[in-house]
Amino acid sequence: GAVVSQHPSWVICKSGTSVKIECRSLDFQATTMFWYRQFPKQSLMLMATSNEGSKATYEQGVEKDKFLINHASLTLSTLTVTSAHPEDSSFYICSARGRRGAEDTQYFGPGTRLTVL
Amino acid sequence: DQQVKQNSPSLSVQEGRISILNCDYTNSMFDYFLWYKKYPAEGPTFLISISSIKDKNEDGRFTVFLNKSAKHLSLHIVPSQPGDSAVYFCAADQGGSEKLVFGKGTKLTVNP
Repeated sequence: GAVVSQHPSWVICKSGTSVKIECRSLDFQATTMFWYRQFPKQSLMLMATSNEGSKATYEQGVEKDKFLINHASLTLSTLTVTSAHPEDSSFYICSARGRRGAEDTQYFGPGTRLTVL
Repeated sequence: DQQVKQNSPSLSVQEGRISILNCDYTNSMFDYFLWYKKYPAEGPTFLISISSIKDKNEDGRFTVFLNKSAKHLSLHIVPSQPGDSAVYFCAADQGGSEKLVFGKGTKLTVNP
């Protein structure tokens, strides 16, 4: 079954509004959570890395004031796309790194499709 | 500069035959490699991984081979099944960084 959930699975919003996406690890504590973005037929591009209780580390070219990340607990991270514009329309995927049984790896959420009108 | 390359955007095989997906990397500091399977509009699902201290890892129908000198790894699926049809991503991890670098993916189609 799913080990990482994302909510919402899809969202349509008007240009200029803000959208919050939640990422939860369901049956393990995630030491680190990651946020990715995927454009059609492209690879997953890492946007930022977040550790619980500390500021997120953003990849080069990712605006930290536009993509706000909060890692409130070991099981929850949120990504807020502020003042969204049509070019922000994309598939956003989170992952959580932690140990489940013998495996210590990244587990991905199902993704959130954001469409900005 | 792409550090992880999957040069074949697509691959089509017959059910029951072997599927071989290839991946090349340029960063010699990568020491852990993973394969993920992804269906449209879903997040990637972890399939199998291999550490750089090994050259082969097997899990059921899935085997990953690593050739460090060639900076090349491959995923073998045998026998291939129609349900294996998906996009397969190769990813690499540099020890201690926790960051995965992904290839662009190969779309596998297994025909009945």
